[in-house]
Amino acid sequence: QSVLTQAPSASGTPGQRVTISCSGSRSNIGSNYVYWYQQLPGTAPKLLIYKNNQRPSGVPDRFSGSKSGTSASLAISGLRSEDEADYFCAAWDDSLSGPVFGTGTKVTVL
Amino acid sequence: EVQLLESGGGLVQSGGSLRLSCSASGFTFSSSAMSWVRQPPGKGLEWVSTISSSGGSIHSADSVKGRFTVSRDNSKNTLYLQMNSLRAEDTAVYYCAKNCLGGETSGCLDYWGQGTLVTVSS
Repeated sequence: QSVLTQAPSASGTPGQRVTISCSGSRSNIGSNYVYWYQQLPGTAPKLLIYKNNQRPSGVPDRFSGSKSGTSASLAISGLRSEDEADYFCAAWDDSLSGPVFGTGTKVTVL
Repeated sequence: EVQLLESGGGLVQSGGSLRLSCSASGFTFSSSAMSWVRQPPGKGLEWVSTISSSGGSIHSADSVKGRFTVSRDNSKNTLYLQMNSLRAEDTAVYYCAKNCLGGETSGCLDYWGQGTLVTVSS
């Protein structure tokens, strides 16, 4: 059962900017870092953003993360066909004493 | 290059048991917390368990407490998940993942295996 809520889908044309939101509560996003994962079709998830807005080595700067209160966002600028994937947010939950994931957003490049 | 290779998945009847293994290479396994995350077919991600680098600290989701046990053998660079009393709702791809350094109590998993499918028939 997912504790973090995301819109099920988002789309854009090549070159556009797409934003994905992740809504949580005080016990998770409100008091801990947010992480974002990209899951390409048929593959394992990959860490895309850590500590709210940091990119691991090799992740293009087209991907950016932000957090405000109990919500977080992932933005993809200059959308490309290879960005078609499922995107999940995650954060530690102090009440559950474990990490929780978002419901996931499927990004489609039109 | 970090590599995580899961094995042990398969078809099992409801109430049965299965042990998953995850063989790690390319990093200092004994210094890294490790986790199991599962994904039911066509659905989202669900955290299962996390074990500290030494094995002395374990966190597990309520949905698997009392049924699943995570363990590790640092001499063999291997992570395990013993799954007992399996239910149909445990059907999922099970991923082994490496926690980010200092990230035992976070949602930070910087490397993932390709996963192994566990199917529980009712």
